[in-house]
Amino acid sequence: AQRVTQPEKLLSVFKGAPVELKCNYSYSGSPELFWYVQYSRQRLQLLLRHISRESIKGFTADLNKGETSFHLKKPFAQEEDSAMYYCALRGSNYQLIWGAGTKLIIKP
Amino acid sequence: DGGITQSPKYLFRKEGQNVTLSCEQNLNHDAMYWYRQDPGQGLRLIYYSQIVNDFQKGDIAEGYSVSREKKESFPLTVTSAQKNPTAFYLCASMDRGLYYTFGSGTRLTVV
Repeated sequence: AQRVTQPEKLLSVFKGAPVELKCNYSYSGSPELFWYVQYSRQRLQLLLRHISRESIKGFTADLNKGETSFHLKKPFAQEEDSAMYYCALRGSNYQLIWGAGTKLIIKP
Repeated sequence: DGGITQSPKYLFRKEGQNVTLSCEQNLNHDAMYWYRQDPGQGLRLIYYSQIVNDFQKGDIAEGYSVSREKKESFPLTVTSAQKNPTAFYLCASMDRGLYYTFGSGTRLTVV
C-alpha cells in the first residue's frame, strides 16, 4: 500500500527552538518525497523535494529508507514558519499521495 | 498572478443545488487535478485529467463531475448528490517535470 503518515496534527514550539515535523511513508520501490507548505491566505506551494537535497528557508529533510521517514527539520524556528505543512509521496501513477498535514505554530 | 486561477474564492450553496467551481491555467500543462481539503485529512483527490477530453475518478469522486473540453480549463461541479460538500477545494496542474502548481482555492459552504 502507498501511504503517507504525519502523526502530529499540531506542533507548537517557541521561536528559536528546533523544529521537526515527522513524515513516514509506505511504498514499494524507490520513493520520491516532497514537503509542501501553505501559509495563511496563500496557496499551497512546494517547499522542498528529497531528490534535490536542498535547504529552503532553513528547512532540510533527509530520506531515511531504513526507517521509511522523511522528517522536516529546522534548527531555529522563526515566527514566519507558522503554517500548514504537508508531506507527499509520488505514487506509482505519478500522482501525489498526501499526508494529513501538520499545523506548525511558532510562539513568540 | 499567473499560473492557475480558481474562482470564485467563496461560494455558498443551498441544499439540493448544483454549483460549478472554475479552474483555469495558462501554464500549458496537460494534467489537471481537483482536490478536497478538510481539516485533519490532508488533500483527497476528486478527479484528474491527463489530457483534453479525458478524465478519471479519484478517491472521492461520488457527488462530483468534471469536464475537460479545453486544455486550459477543468471545471468541477458539486452536485446535490454530494452529501457533505462544505470544504476547501484546490485545483492543481502538473508539468512534464511532474511538479505541481496549485490554485488559491475555493471555499464552498452549504447554507
